Amino acid sequence: DIQLTQSPSFLSASVGDRVTITCRASQDINSYLAWYQQIPGKAPKLLIYSASTLQSGVPSRFSGGGSGTEFTLTISSLQPEDFASYHCQQLNSYPYTFGQGTRLDIK
Amino acid sequence: QVQLVQSGAEVKKPGSSVRVSCKASGGTLSSYALSWVRQAPGQGLEWMGGIIPFFDTPNYEQKFQGRITITADKSTNTAYMELSSLRFEDTAVYYCARSADSGYDLYWGQGTLVTVSA
Repeated sequence: DIQLTQSPSFLSASVGDRVTITCRASQDINSYLAWYQQIPGKAPKLLIYSASTLQSGVPSRFSGGGSGTEFTLTISSLQPEDFASYHCQQLNSYPYTFGQGTRLDIK
Repeated sequence: QVQLVQSGAEVKKPGSSVRVSCKASGGTLSSYALSWVRQAPGQGLEWMGGIIPFFDTPNYEQKFQGRITITADKSTNTAYMELSSLRFEDTAVYYCARSADSGYDLYWGQGTLVTVSA
């Protein structure tokens, strides 16, 4: 199975900050990577797919990059509603594994 | 707009089985991937398995092999996930998710809490 390792696991930041979350795959997954945002008690929300394509309706302050084994999710200027958990998922091969998640808290 | 509505919360005893349903409205399940993902309390997301109803061949995460069955009823636009031989550690919120044309899971159910308790 492909392992995904997110870093950091916890991140504390302020409104207006630029933050980057990294997701590393244990083997080449091309660009078959998605990023989700999850608010406690809610279902995940798709933000980015194919590593760098912004899902329709998602604010442009979110961006994704990378290919192969290293990927990033960047939020250019944090807004209050962005404080949530973020998960990466690979769809290169079954099983479609997730990273362990990154919790983003207000500093 | 596609909506997925899941069945209600369940409390089960260890060793028993649970079946969670996921009914789609506003769009078909048939030719899209339908996945089941769970989240234990305070933990991350775990992909359990999926199916494309048109092909009717499920794929399962190895750790659930022998305990999980994913099916889909095209006539009612409903998918099902049955998990047997329940253990305390199966206590989690179970989500269904349907892919968009991109192939990625855009549409999610509201989640079903399954509690395994003696």
